[in-house]
Amino acid sequence: GAGVSQSPSNKVTEKGKDVELRCDPISGHTALYWYRQSLGQGLEFLIYFQGNSAPDKSGLPSDRFSAERTGGSVSTLTIQRTQQEDSAVYLCASRSPSYGYTFGSGTRLTVV
Amino acid sequence: GIQVEQSPPDLILQEGANSTLRCNFSDSVNNLQWFHQNPWGQLINLFYIPSGTKQNGRLSATTVATERYSLLYISSSQTTDSGVYFCAVKSTGTASKLTFGTGTRLQVTL
Repeated sequence: GAGVSQSPSNKVTEKGKDVELRCDPISGHTALYWYRQSLGQGLEFLIYFQGNSAPDKSGLPSDRFSAERTGGSVSTLTIQRTQQEDSAVYLCASRSPSYGYTFGSGTRLTVV
Repeated sequence: GIQVEQSPPDLILQEGANSTLRCNFSDSVNNLQWFHQNPWGQLINLFYIPSGTKQNGRLSATTVATERYSLLYISSSQTTDSGVYFCAVKSTGTASKLTFGTGTRLQVTL
């Protein structure tokens, strides 16, 4: 597609429930990133996928967070047993060598 | 890891004024980008500029990689320029991620 697509755009969930966030990167971009932005804060790196290489998971805050990328395209970020501190905007980006990173519009997650 | 500092943290301008935003970083980089996050939260890629100078309309950016800083110039500011401007860098030699600065929050008033 023309840009990075994320769904849902908003998600309200009860504490303790699991959530799945989806990212559809720009076609042909092999690199995909997840970031998190808490209210009024900068962006915090979560995880990085590059082609068929093992993902860089160094930014995942706990083992409740996991992500996968199927077929080198769509990625899903899963948060298990959500906590209130997980409330944030989750941003996905894909990268081209010449243009750099393009971000999606994000998923605003609210845990109540 | 690499440190990224942006200044000023906050800036209020009257419409039509010019401004310069600065990004300092603590290590050599092979990727530097400037982003504008609009009031609706969308991050817009302004410049991919690991070195040199680029211009796009009223905006221009310069990165002096050897001195580890980048500048974003906004000329003839408009209210639509309001939002947060982020500088993000990737260290030379490290695997993957962009590290973001804390941003400059710009408000352009009439």
